[in-house]
Formats: sequence, C-alpha cells, structure tokens
Amino acid sequence: DAMVIQNPRYQVTQFGKPVTLSCSQTLNHNVMYWYQQKSSQAPKLLFHYYDKDFNNEADTPDNFQSRRPNTSFCFLDIRSPGLGDAAMYLCATSTSSGVNTQYFGPGTRLTVL
Amino acid sequence: GNSVTQMEGPVTLSEEAFLTINCTYTATGYPSLFWYVQYPGEGLQLLLKATKADDKGSNKGFEATYRKETTSFHLEKGSVQVSDSAVYFCALSEGYSSASKIIFGSGTRLSIRP
Repeated sequence: DAMVIQNPRYQVTQFGKPVTLSCSQTLNHNVMYWYQQKSSQAPKLLFHYYDKDFNNEADTPDNFQSRRPNTSFCFLDIRSPGLGDAAMYLCATSTSSGVNTQYFGPGTRLTVL
Repeated sequence: GNSVTQMEGPVTLSEEAFLTINCTYTATGYPSLFWYVQYPGEGLQLLLKATKADDKGSNKGFEATYRKETTSFHLEKGSVQVSDSAVYFCALSEGYSSASKIIFGSGTRLSIRP
C-alpha cells in the first residue's frame, strides 16, 4: 500500500542534543510537510517542500531545519532541542495537482530530557 | 482570514448513540473541506472530504455535507462504536493552489462508553 512512513515512532533526546526525524513516502507526491502537534491540539505547520523549493512558516524557530534529498525522503532537524520542543511531529504529503488533500504519517513522539 | 471553528469537547456518548460534531468555517473563495481523525498515539487519517457546495463526503459510516449557505460541514454518524473514540479535526484547504495550506479546527475529543 502507498503510504507515508515516519521513523522512529518514538525519539528521546537530551536538552541541546541535535536530533533528526525522518519521513519517507511511496505516494510519489511532490509536496511534503512537517507539522508540530502538542497535546492533541491542532497540528502547526512548520514548513513544506514543493518539489525542491523550501517554504518556511514565518513563526517557525530557526532551531528547526529541514532537508529533502529526493522526492521520497524528507528530514526534520532540530539543532538544539529545548523542553518546549517535546511534541508529536507529523509528516504529510500531497500532490500539487487538484485538491490539496494531505496524507499523514503516524508521527514521531519526541521527548526531551 | 480563513478559519475553522468546531464544537469543543470532550464529547462523551454511549455506544450506538447518534453523533454530531459541528464545524463551521470562514473562507474567501471556495475551499475544500475535510474531516481528519486521530486515534491515540497515531497520526491524522483522512476520514472524508468534500470539494464543492452540496457535496457529501462519507466513509466508515460517517457523513458530512458541504453547506455553503450556512458555511458548515458537520460530521454525523448514526450509531457510534467504542472504536470511534478519537480526536476529530475539521479542516479546510484554500482552493486549488498547489501546496495550499490546510487550516485545522481545534479538534473535538470523542469518547464512547460501552
């Protein structure tokens, strides 16, 4: 089945220690998104890639970076995690044609000690 | 700007009860509307969608009708099950532009008692 995969499902890191979360997709979608979600609040968009073009949200902290080496993979790098960065991180994909229906991965739960 | 307002939770129902979760939106133009469901510890799953006025989205016994005149997209199910316990997000997408943003409501937590 075509899907969005996130690894790991659970990640524990230490305060200030860089961490990378990964997302891969078999849907061949050209748009990929990263969201942060806290305590079943609505997901908050951090940034997205439209093909190779990176689009950052204005209020996304510089501490959050992203890489997309190819169509299938996208990474979220947190350079110096703080306690406030503990959250669920969701990856989503969509195609740029037609209605923007986003398909989400299962998420990575990040704990910062 | 565009926004989505949905009824606050938590909503607690008994099994086999009728469910309505209200959702209204504010938008310029003609958005597409969605319901996403999030089970505990999981990501969001697309439950159903509607792309134009009077469209009805349906899936797994859930339905929602795109009502332009009342700017609403209420989620309904005739007989809920314990397995429907989850958080439900109403959302809109601003038209057909590529990579357009999805605007989410605040989510409604649904708990079903056996």
